[in-house]
Amino acid sequence: QDQLVQSGAEVKKPGASVKVSCKASGYTFMNYGINWVRQAPGQGLEWMAWISVYNGNTKYAQKVQGRVTVTTDTSTSTAYMELRSLRSDDTAIYYCARDRRSQDDGPFDAFDIWGQGTMVTVSS
Amino acid sequence: DIQMTQSPSSLSASVGDRVTITCQANQDIRHFLNWYQQKPGQAPKLLLYDASNLKTGVPSRFSGSGSGTDFIFTISSLQPEDIATYYCQQYHNLPPTFGPGTKVDIK
Repeated sequence: QDQLVQSGAEVKKPGASVKVSCKASGYTFMNYGINWVRQAPGQGLEWMAWISVYNGNTKYAQKVQGRVTVTTDTSTSTAYMELRSLRSDDTAIYYCARDRRSQDDGPFDAFDIWGQGTMVTVSS
Repeated sequence: DIQMTQSPSSLSASVGDRVTITCQANQDIRHFLNWYQQKPGQAPKLLLYDASNLKTGVPSRFSGSGSGTDFIFTISSLQPEDIATYYCQQYHNLPPTFGPGTKVDIK
């Protein structure tokens, strides 16, 4: 069964960084891109970033570009999202989500398999 | 960025009712539209991709149609387990963008 399992909740102070992990199982990790999507409390969904696990190519939303880095470790089938210079409005549930198709063009696809989400709270 | 709108923002219907949600893009996105279901406290789940294709394992009471700028999502016979918020999402242009969601509950 294809699955993504994320790391646990984090509480950070403004200005700090957070790194969320997303471990894949049940499928060939290198064959599918991974997206990161966040959801502020009571709000809608916001796409943040995409990475090709195959070649490491990345795409970022302009809103977070310069503060976010997505990486993968193929030896452990794990994707990571690091967000720096945290602000209170970064408080959200962060989801990883796999592309539906095996392709390396970018986040031009449906988000087929989702992690359970990681709550990141930014508070002084 | 492509702006996505949905209507209604919420609806209340009886079990067995036909439910329709519309999604509109502010520019032509061809058929590059997906629909997700998010139940309270859960991650979203993909229901339909490319406007009208049902993901394997998703009940056939869910369907979608449309192309260009106007899309429709339908639940043919609302079930209690369909209580959720439904989101459309375009992937024609970067960044992928979601609609604001439609909250569906039981009357």
